[in-house]
Amino acid sequence: SQQGEEDPQALSIQEGENATMNCSYKTSINNLQWYRQNSGRGLVHLILIRSNEREKHSGRLRVTLDTSKKSSSLLITASRAADTASYFCANYNFNKFYFGSGTKLNVKP
Amino acid sequence: EAQVTQNPRYLITVTGKKLTVTCSQNMNHEYMSWYRQDPGLGLRQIYYSMNVEVTDKGDVPEGYKVSRKEKRNFPLILESPSPNQTSLYFCASSTRGLEKLFFGSGTQLSVL
Repeated sequence: SQQGEEDPQALSIQEGENATMNCSYKTSINNLQWYRQNSGRGLVHLILIRSNEREKHSGRLRVTLDTSKKSSSLLITASRAADTASYFCANYNFNKFYFGSGTKLNVKP
Repeated sequence: EAQVTQNPRYLITVTGKKLTVTCSQNMNHEYMSWYRQDPGLGLRQIYYSMNVEVTDKGDVPEGYKVSRKEKRNFPLILESPSPNQTSLYFCASSTRGLEKLFFGSGTQLSVL
């Protein structure tokens, strides 16, 4: 399988703290995407980083990409209770999508 | 409103009884795909379609069929469901650039 892996599998923090989750992937990529899933609902696209980019910001989200290590990280700054969700990285190769196993984030108020 | 609509939301069936899960998108997307989500395994792609009449296998296609007769619809067919196909299923669509998948709300399938 070419599925990626994410760590940690679960993360519990207090509101206001930063949350960092990591993703490793196996294939070469055009871009890497991060998605959020609330409680068994459909995934929602958060941010995309291209293979020639090293870092990207969007609001409280910061994504880094290291293609030499085939890894990416997602940082959520100043977390809120509403950020409680599962987060997945995803990439595609020859039109097939591969998702990481996900990080379940719990932000305690 | 731009959306991907999946039906039904919940489905309980018995082994061997053919079923279809429907998926429709109103964004004129070329790419449509199906995934199953199982605890600890993340999402795995079942089938995808780059356009009308063009479908291809994902990572876990065994036991599933799809068709793409119209651009907006991409049904998932289980001809003879088995208990190991009990899972949460998602349909998603994208433009051909594949830079952003739009997901349906999911179908929780239980095969008894």
